[in-house]
Amino acid sequence: NAGVTQTPKFRILKIGQSMTLQCAQDMNHNYMYWYRQDPGMGLKLIYYSVGAGITDKGEVPNGYNVSRSTTEDFPLRLELAAPSQTSVYFCASTNTGDAGYGYTFGSGTRLTVV
Amino acid sequence: AQRVTQPEKLLSVFKGAPVELKCNYSYSGSPELFWYVQYSRQRLQLLLRHISRESIKGFTADLNKGETSFHLKKPFAQEEDSAMYYCALSLRSQGNLIFGKGTKLSVKP
Repeated sequence: NAGVTQTPKFRILKIGQSMTLQCAQDMNHNYMYWYRQDPGMGLKLIYYSVGAGITDKGEVPNGYNVSRSTTEDFPLRLELAAPSQTSVYFCASTNTGDAGYGYTFGSGTRLTVV
Repeated sequence: AQRVTQPEKLLSVFKGAPVELKCNYSYSGSPELFWYVQYSRQRLQLLLRHISRESIKGFTADLNKGETSFHLKKPFAQEEDSAMYYCALSLRSQGNLIFGKGTKLSVKP
């Protein structure tokens, strides 16, 4: 049981490049989330999904896009990378609508935009 | 607006000393609160949830609705407790968590 798997673990992008951060879970969780973690700023929600085909914006969605074509996968797309997107990105999932059982987190993707 | 406040960025204690990591929240609904821990170079993991009233790794946290607090406590800190600790508030309407900015706990030998 792998839990939540994120790839890649590290990536360096040049300004204006695009990339997709992958997130997959094998727990049949309906709810999935993307957070970014900036030093001293905690975690901020980028996008979330309550099920396949349903996504919604979080607190800091600008510059990102998501899709949820299957229950297992929730990729995060950066179209035109900017230095402000340098951060550590975490994907998480849960099986309840009220997060009552807590999240399962991936190991993170450390992204640097230069 | 919903908010989680962790007033201390860094908390440094000696091994064997008591530790208290503070967390205050702002939420008009019935709160559901959690503590998450992130050890060095590891993923975030759930430490405690207030609904279960459990003790994990010697840590406890009590929800005080009057003071809107959910402080994390441990009577005798260990070096392996050194980590980032995040307090989080569940928003039932969206199923997502709001996190505080985190407190880095450093336990010195």
